[in-house]
Amino acid sequence: GAVVSQHPSRVICKSGTSVKIECRSLDFQATTMFWYRQFPKKSLMLMATSNEGSKATYEQGVEKDKFLINHASLTLSTLTVTSAHPEDSSFYICSAGHEQFFGPGTRLTVL
Amino acid sequence: QKEVEQDPGPLSVPEGAIVSLNCTYSNSAFQYFMWYRQYSRKGPELLMYTYSSGNKEDGRFTAQVDKSSKYISLFIRDSQPSDSATYLCAFGIIQGAQKLVFGQGTRLTINP
Repeated sequence: GAVVSQHPSRVICKSGTSVKIECRSLDFQATTMFWYRQFPKKSLMLMATSNEGSKATYEQGVEKDKFLINHASLTLSTLTVTSAHPEDSSFYICSAGHEQFFGPGTRLTVL
Repeated sequence: QKEVEQDPGPLSVPEGAIVSLNCTYSNSAFQYFMWYRQYSRKGPELLMYTYSSGNKEDGRFTAQVDKSSKYISLFIRDSQPSDSATYLCAFGIIQGAQKLVFGQGTRLTINP
């Protein structure tokens, strides 16, 4: 199957700082990528759909100004968690492709 | 009624057993059906996908879809300890935003 990478795999930051997470499709192009959040022992919660060259589509209840998404190329989407707080600590996962191949996830811990 | 229902388990079976994992759904618009496996602290891995009713086999895994009953299953034959993971069903519509709707996931443990 297709390969999707994420960077970093793990990040610990102080409250109030911003964190950028990258999602890359390594061997295919993706006009659409998806960002999910997952709490321990819970299913995936779709946060937003990232569209190459246009604005992201956010799910209801997800703050656009808090979770900034940029899809600048057909192989890269970034999620920036702005002014992170402890409640933003979670596992963030991206996916790409029609069959939605997932990245390995990024574990964010906000102190 | 939830759009997708999946028993969260946990499900524990002995090595070598046949495992049956199931999901029901209510949205008739779903056109493709998928199963993902997720190990702890990892991203989900696509196991099976199908677009039609019936069975699809891949090695020890068989995906079964019954559109008339809105019911899908994943069978694992000759289960191994390495199959211990959370299994998520997912449903999608080909047109539009191509968003997937996920089940809650079933935690499976295969005991040696």
